[in-house]
Amino acid sequence: AQSVTQLGSHVSVSEGALVLLRCNYSSSVPPYLFWYVQYPNQGLQLLLKYTTGATLVKGINGFEAEFKKSETSFHLTKPSAHMSDAAEYFCAVTPSFFGKGTRLHILPSKSTFGDGTTLTVKP
Amino acid sequence: GAGVSQSPSNKVTEKGKDVELRCDPISGHTALYWYRQSLGQGLEFLIYFQGNSAPDKSGLPSDRFSAERTGGSVSTLTIQRTQQEDSAVYLCASSPDRLSGNTIYFGEGSWLTVV
Repeated sequence: AQSVTQLGSHVSVSEGALVLLRCNYSSSVPPYLFWYVQYPNQGLQLLLKYTTGATLVKGINGFEAEFKKSETSFHLTKPSAHMSDAAEYFCAVTPSFFGKGTRLHILPSKSTFGDGTTLTVKP
Repeated sequence: GAGVSQSPSNKVTEKGKDVELRCDPISGHTALYWYRQSLGQGLEFLIYFQGNSAPDKSGLPSDRFSAERTGGSVSTLTIQRTQQEDSAVYLCASSPDRLSGNTIYFGEGSWLTVV
């Protein structure tokens, strides 16, 4: 079983301020974690993902997220908000399982998404 | 095109009518997914196709919903006897395969309104 909780359905920051969007997950198997962004009237776009290896992952548009297993978190940050960052952000978790050898496989049909966080950037 | 293509982009239908939503995945992608997003809600998984394997239909909310994928490419999601609660954005996504953390690529969605 797995779940995703995004704390705060709406986050408002001033332009130039730190952006912090929170995501906590639960998963019974090692997870793969994703952040997607949805701009108005557009489809979802991948920001970044964590699969294995380095726990701090960098994505597009200056965003990054850190996988903290002990805290079951994958919070999204950006040091300085820009007006163009205004959008809805979704955190997602996908369970992995160990296939042949030690290679991790994912089960994308079982992806679970959070309810989304709308980011507003004030001038 | 280079991305996942969905049609129609907008559909308004009367309650009780059937609707068909089409998805053209990225060429060469063997995995195809349907999700829906109701107003103010997160994404809800509906169905997953992988190559020639039997689809994972575990997310379909009722037997009014069905989907096909012909020739391993284009997929059609059919909703019979639509209800107002079916109003949502229906998102299609594809990925190269199910392995190794491959990212899924979403289309822009079909906005369905049942009146």
